[in-house]
Amino acid sequence: AQSVTQLDSHVSVSEGTPVLLRCNYSSSYSPSLFWYVQHPNKGLQLLLKYTSAATLVKGINGFEAEFKKSETSFHLTKPSAHMSDAAEYFCVGSIGGGGNKLTFGTGTQLKVEL
Amino acid sequence: DGGITQSPKYLFRKEGQNVTLSCEQNLNHDAMYWYRQDPGQGLRLIYYSQIVNDFQKGDIAEGYSVSREKKESFPLTVTSAQKNPTAFYLCASTKRNTLRSEGTEAFFGQGTRLTVV
Repeated sequence: AQSVTQLDSHVSVSEGTPVLLRCNYSSSYSPSLFWYVQHPNKGLQLLLKYTSAATLVKGINGFEAEFKKSETSFHLTKPSAHMSDAAEYFCVGSIGGGGNKLTFGTGTQLKVEL
Repeated sequence: DGGITQSPKYLFRKEGQNVTLSCEQNLNHDAMYWYRQDPGQGLRLIYYSQIVNDFQKGDIAEGYSVSREKKESFPLTVTSAQKNPTAFYLCASTKRNTLRSEGTEAFFGQGTRLTVV
């Protein structure tokens, strides 16, 4: 069985400070992991993905994430938050093959303050 | 440009009515999905289809129905049996990937907000 846990439902940071959104996973197989961002009343946009190549993954808008097998974690980071980063973020796991079913975390709402 | 199109963006339904949400993709993806999103509950899978003329129930299929007559299209009908249909509905698609060890990312539509009036 596969599961994805986002450890914080809400995170608040000041503009210009670092962002850390935490995600832990469990999977019987080597997982593929993704981070998506959702702005209000919009669909989900892919930020970055891990698919067993490099453990440090760089995405769009300055975000990156590091896959740590020993900690079963895939935390999302950004060195300096911008007001436009305020949104909801989802950590998602996937096992490949014919049954490509996605497992979603419950989301983290990021608030960026001046 | 390739992508997924959901329509309408906003939909209002009277109690006891069936309504159909449209989802069309031109990405040549084999698999398509419907998710329901409620505040604080993340995304929950309603139905998914890995190939034309075949689909499976997800975690919350009761009160919903789908069809997959064409690769490009995966409409969702919210029936009168769905007691609490007010939600944000998202359609997604993925490439079929035969590698056991590697999943593929999903592409999402912009969503349909359904409200019961």
